[in-house]
Amino acid sequence: QKEVEQDPGPLSVPEGAIVSLNCTYSNSAFQYFMWYRQYSRKGPELLMYTYSSGNKEDGRFTAQVDKSSKYISLFIRDSQPSDSATYLCAMSASNDYKLSFGAGTTVTVRA
Amino acid sequence: NAGVTQTPKFQVLKTGQSMTLQCAQDMNHEYMSWYRQDPGMGLRLIHYSVGAGITDQGEVPNGYNVSRSTTEDFPLRLLSAAPSQTSVYFCASRLENSPLHFGNGTRLTVT
Repeated sequence: QKEVEQDPGPLSVPEGAIVSLNCTYSNSAFQYFMWYRQYSRKGPELLMYTYSSGNKEDGRFTAQVDKSSKYISLFIRDSQPSDSATYLCAMSASNDYKLSFGAGTTVTVRA
Repeated sequence: NAGVTQTPKFQVLKTGQSMTLQCAQDMNHEYMSWYRQDPGMGLRLIHYSVGAGITDQGEVPNGYNVSRSTTEDFPLRLLSAAPSQTSVYFCASRLENSPLHFGNGTRLTVT
């Protein structure tokens, strides 16, 4: 079993829909949680960064962390065709430089 | 603000050739790492470094060498290229307990 599980999709939604992405993990030491967006032929870019449990909102994006369930989510409201990309979750423990990544979910927002 | 810079962007090698993928960062990050990304395999860690003079193996180190003589630079050497090393390579860096920053990748084809 992988340390971080993420449904690879693909996920296709109409413009304006809410996109819901999630990852589960097994390592209870993880404290830092990240979501990256990767466009085709580009490097992953940081979208959201959270520490421990709770919610964080940035514009149309909301990240949630539930450490008791070892489950993290990313919600994209009012999705746009420009949100079409692969979304990767990543996480690390305190004082550990290495990150554990999910496999990535490919999202297509249809105009 | 250059961030993480990778060169070259594209490279074609013949089997058995050697080459060096360059990576430089200007953020004074102590941690630098190399990943390869293949379809269906996600990001896999090749080698990493937590500071000048310190390197260690990741998940898939065979066929690759690294060195870290300065904080800024972390080159990846392919000793004798094989078709199995055809991939997209990403360099990434971070400070402890902070997000990982990626370069835009090097797309390598080995024929």
